[in-house]
Amino acid sequence: EAGVAQSPRYKIIEKRQSVAFWCNPISGHATLYWYQQILGQGPKLLIQFQNNGVVDDSQLPKDRFSAERLKGVDSTLKIQPAKLEDSAVYLCASSYLAGGVTGELFFGEGSRLTVL
Amino acid sequence: DQQVKQNSPSLSVQEGRISILNCDYTNSMFDYFLWYKKYPAEGPTFLISISSIKDKNEDGRFTVFLNKSAKHLSLHIVPSQPGDSAVYFCAASDTGANSKLTFGKGITLSVRP
Repeated sequence: EAGVAQSPRYKIIEKRQSVAFWCNPISGHATLYWYQQILGQGPKLLIQFQNNGVVDDSQLPKDRFSAERLKGVDSTLKIQPAKLEDSAVYLCASSYLAGGVTGELFFGEGSRLTVL
Repeated sequence: DQQVKQNSPSLSVQEGRISILNCDYTNSMFDYFLWYKKYPAEGPTFLISISSIKDKNEDGRFTVFLNKSAKHLSLHIVPSQPGDSAVYFCAASDTGANSKLTFGKGITLSVRP
Protein backbone atom coordinates (compact mmCIF):
# COMPACT_ATOMS: atom_id res chain seq x y z
CA GLU A 1 0.00 0.00 0.00
CA ALA A 2 1.41 3.37 -1.01
CA GLY A 3 1.92 5.85 1.80
CA VAL A 4 1.14 9.54 2.02
CA ALA A 5 3.02 11.38 -0.73
CA GLN A 6 4.23 14.95 -0.34
CA SER A 7 6.14 17.34 -2.56
CA PRO A 8 8.43 19.13 -2.69
CA ARG A 9 10.63 17.67 0.05
CA TYR A 10 12.61 20.88 0.41
CA LYS A 11 11.93 24.48 -0.52
CA ILE A 12 13.95 27.63 0.10
CA ILE A 13 12.33 31.01 -0.56
CA GLU A 14 12.78 34.60 0.44
CA LYS A 15 10.32 36.34 2.73
CA ARG A 16 7.25 37.76 1.03
CA GLN A 17 7.46 35.12 -1.71
CA SER A 18 4.82 32.42 -2.09
CA VAL A 19 5.07 28.65 -1.88
CA ALA A 20 2.73 25.69 -2.38
CA PHE A 21 2.90 22.17 -1.01
CA TRP A 22 1.09 19.15 -2.39
CA CYS A 23 -0.19 16.04 -0.64
CA ASN A 24 -1.69 12.81 -1.90
CA PRO A 25 -3.17 10.78 0.96
CA ILE A 26 -3.50 7.02 1.22
CA SER A 27 -6.23 5.76 -1.08
CA GLY A 28 -9.57 5.53 0.69
CA HIS A 29 -8.64 7.78 3.58
CA ALA A 30 -11.44 10.25 4.17
CA THR A 31 -9.63 12.58 6.54
CA LEU A 32 -6.61 14.68 5.62
CA TYR A 33 -4.56 16.89 7.92
CA TRP A 34 -1.87 19.52 7.48
CA TYR A 35 0.49 19.99 10.42
CA GLN A 36 3.25 22.53 10.93
CA GLN A 37 6.30 21.38 12.88
CA ILE A 38 8.73 24.09 13.93
CA LEU A 39 12.17 22.91 15.00
CA GLY A 40 12.12 21.68 18.60
CA GLN A 41 8.35 21.57 18.82
CA GLY A 42 5.67 19.00 18.20
CA PRO A 43 3.43 19.05 15.15
CA LYS A 44 0.66 21.66 15.30
CA LEU A 45 -2.56 21.12 13.36
CA LEU A 46 -3.20 23.77 10.74
CA ILE A 47 -6.24 22.34 8.99
CA GLN A 48 -8.30 19.16 8.90
CA PHE A 49 -10.42 18.05 5.96
CA GLN A 50 -13.20 15.49 5.98
CA ASN A 51 -13.50 14.44 2.33
CA ASN A 52 -13.40 17.88 0.65
CA GLY A 53 -14.94 19.85 3.52
CA VAL A 54 -13.03 21.72 6.23
CA VAL A 55 -13.55 20.31 9.73
CA ASP A 56 -11.11 22.48 11.66
CA ASP A 57 -9.00 25.42 10.52
CA SER A 58 -8.93 27.30 13.80
CA GLN A 59 -5.11 27.44 13.91
CA LEU A 60 -4.57 28.32 10.25
CA PRO A 61 -3.24 31.89 9.79
CA LYS A 62 -5.83 32.72 7.19
CA ASP A 63 -4.28 36.06 6.22
CA ARG A 64 -1.42 34.19 4.58
CA PHE A 65 -2.19 30.46 4.55
CA SER A 66 -4.78 28.72 2.42
CA ALA A 67 -5.55 25.08 1.74
CA GLU A 68 -7.89 23.15 -0.45
CA ARG A 69 -8.78 19.55 -1.08
CA LEU A 70 -10.40 19.21 -4.43
CA LYS A 71 -12.55 16.14 -5.09
CA GLY A 72 -11.77 14.85 -1.62
CA VAL A 73 -8.39 13.41 -2.59
CA ASP A 74 -5.25 15.52 -3.17
CA SER A 75 -4.64 18.66 -1.19
CA THR A 76 -2.51 21.78 -1.54
CA LEU A 77 -1.32 24.15 1.17
CA LYS A 78 -0.26 27.62 0.08
CA ILE A 79 1.60 30.36 1.92
CA GLN A 80 1.50 33.88 0.49
CA PRO A 81 3.37 35.97 1.49
CA ALA A 82 5.81 33.91 3.54
CA LYS A 83 7.39 35.19 6.75
CA LEU A 84 10.59 34.12 8.45
CA GLU A 85 8.58 32.38 11.20
CA ASP A 86 6.97 30.10 8.61
CA SER A 87 10.23 28.14 8.39
CA ALA A 88 9.15 24.65 9.43
CA VAL A 89 8.37 21.17 8.21
CA TYR A 90 4.85 20.89 6.82
CA LEU A 91 3.46 17.44 7.43
CA CYS A 92 0.48 15.96 5.68
CA ALA A 93 -1.34 13.06 7.30
CA SER A 94 -4.39 11.00 6.51
CA SER A 95 -6.65 8.61 8.37
CA TYR A 96 -9.33 6.17 7.37
CA LEU A 97 -11.87 7.13 10.00
CA ALA A 98 -14.70 9.37 8.88
CA GLY A 99 -14.83 11.34 12.08
CA GLY A 100 -12.98 11.66 15.31
CA VAL A 101 -9.45 10.55 16.06
CA THR A 102 -9.50 7.11 17.57
CA GLY A 103 -7.16 5.52 15.11
CA GLU A 104 -3.73 6.24 13.86
CA LEU A 105 -2.73 8.97 11.47
CA PHE A 106 -0.39 8.11 8.63
CA PHE A 107 2.12 10.87 7.96
CA GLY A 108 4.05 11.75 4.86
CA GLU A 109 7.77 12.53 4.97
CA GLY A 110 7.08 16.25 5.15
CA SER A 111 8.05 19.35 3.17
CA ARG A 112 10.81 21.38 4.77
CA LEU A 113 10.44 25.12 4.17
CA THR A 114 13.22 27.61 4.79
CA VAL A 115 12.32 31.29 4.53
CA LEU A 116 15.31 33.64 4.20
CA ASP B 1 -1.11 26.89 26.57
CA GLN B 2 0.56 23.54 26.16
CA GLN B 3 -2.00 20.83 26.76
CA VAL B 4 0.41 17.92 26.24
CA LYS B 5 3.75 18.22 27.98
CA GLN B 6 6.91 16.23 27.53
CA ASN B 7 9.15 17.97 30.00
CA SER B 8 12.33 16.01 29.39
CA PRO B 9 13.79 16.89 26.00
CA SER B 10 16.14 13.93 25.86
CA LEU B 11 16.91 10.54 27.38
CA SER B 12 19.96 8.32 27.01
CA VAL B 13 19.93 4.64 28.01
CA GLN B 14 22.15 1.61 27.60
CA GLU B 15 21.17 -1.08 25.12
CA GLY B 16 19.18 -3.81 26.86
CA ARG B 17 17.94 -1.57 29.66
CA ILE B 18 14.49 -0.06 30.08
CA SER B 19 13.58 3.30 28.54
CA ILE B 20 10.80 5.23 30.26
CA LEU B 21 9.37 8.22 28.43
CA ASN B 22 6.94 10.42 30.31
CA CYS B 23 4.06 12.62 29.20
CA ASP B 24 1.61 14.82 31.11
CA TYR B 25 -1.61 16.41 29.91
CA THR B 26 -3.86 19.12 31.24
CA ASN B 27 -7.08 18.76 29.25
CA SER B 28 -9.49 16.49 31.13
CA MET B 29 -11.47 15.97 27.92
CA PHE B 30 -8.65 13.93 26.41
CA ASP B 31 -9.59 10.28 26.35
CA TYR B 32 -7.34 8.74 23.73
CA PHE B 33 -3.57 8.80 23.76
CA LEU B 34 -0.96 7.81 21.19
CA TRP B 35 2.79 7.61 20.89
CA TYR B 36 4.52 8.37 17.61
CA LYS B 37 8.12 7.72 16.70
CA LYS B 38 10.08 9.90 14.30
CA TYR B 39 13.41 9.31 12.58
CA PRO B 40 15.30 12.23 10.99
CA ALA B 41 13.94 13.32 7.60
CA GLU B 42 10.91 11.06 7.95
CA GLY B 43 7.34 11.64 9.05
CA PRO B 44 6.14 10.40 12.44
CA THR B 45 4.94 6.80 12.54
CA PHE B 46 2.37 5.39 14.91
CA LEU B 47 3.76 3.25 17.72
CA ILE B 48 1.10 2.44 20.29
CA SER B 49 -2.11 3.89 21.71
CA ILE B 50 -4.33 3.62 24.76
CA SER B 51 -7.92 4.51 25.47
CA SER B 52 -8.90 6.13 28.75
CA ILE B 53 -10.91 3.06 29.71
CA LYS B 54 -7.63 1.17 30.11
CA ASP B 55 -4.60 1.77 32.26
CA LYS B 56 -2.15 -0.35 30.30
CA ASN B 57 -1.59 -1.46 26.74
CA GLU B 58 1.24 -3.70 25.63
CA ASP B 59 2.65 -4.43 22.19
CA GLY B 60 5.83 -6.45 22.14
CA ARG B 61 8.65 -4.45 23.71
CA PHE B 62 6.42 -1.38 24.08
CA THR B 63 3.99 -0.75 26.93
CA VAL B 64 2.02 2.40 27.59
CA PHE B 65 0.68 3.13 31.06
CA LEU B 66 -2.07 5.66 31.76
CA ASN B 67 -2.79 7.28 35.13
CA LYS B 68 -5.93 9.32 34.59
CA SER B 69 -6.07 10.78 38.07
CA ALA B 70 -2.57 12.18 37.64
CA LYS B 71 -3.12 13.03 33.97
CA HIS B 72 0.08 11.19 33.21
CA LEU B 73 1.14 8.52 30.79
CA SER B 74 4.42 6.79 30.15
CA LEU B 75 5.94 4.65 27.43
CA HIS B 76 8.18 1.79 28.49
CA ILE B 77 10.55 0.14 26.04
CA VAL B 78 12.08 -3.13 27.23
CA PRO B 79 14.69 -4.07 26.24
CA SER B 80 15.90 -0.92 24.51
CA GLN B 81 17.71 -1.36 21.19
CA PRO B 82 19.93 1.05 19.22
CA GLY B 83 17.26 1.14 16.48
CA ASP B 84 14.89 2.70 19.01
CA SER B 85 16.94 5.90 18.92
CA ALA B 86 14.49 8.50 17.60
CA VAL B 87 12.21 11.33 18.69
CA TYR B 88 9.08 10.13 20.49
CA PHE B 89 5.95 12.27 20.47
CA CYS B 90 3.09 11.88 22.89
CA ALA B 91 -0.30 12.88 21.44
CA ALA B 92 -3.81 13.11 22.84
CA SER B 93 -7.33 13.69 21.62
CA ASP B 94 -10.91 13.57 22.68
CA THR B 95 -13.17 11.29 20.66
CA GLY B 96 -15.73 13.84 19.58
CA ALA B 97 -16.90 14.11 16.01
CA ASN B 98 -14.34 16.77 15.13
CA SER B 99 -11.56 15.76 17.47
CA LYS B 100 -7.93 16.43 16.64
CA LEU B 101 -4.57 15.22 17.87
CA THR B 102 -2.56 17.53 20.12
CA PHE B 103 1.14 16.70 20.23
CA GLY B 104 3.81 17.25 22.83
CA LYS B 105 7.24 18.66 21.93
CA GLY B 106 8.86 15.24 21.76
CA ILE B 107 11.65 13.41 23.58
CA THR B 108 14.87 12.43 21.84
CA LEU B 109 15.83 8.91 22.91
CA SER B 110 19.39 7.71 22.41
CA VAL B 111 20.15 4.04 23.02
CA ARG B 112 23.87 3.43 23.49
CA PRO B 113 25.27 0.12 22.21
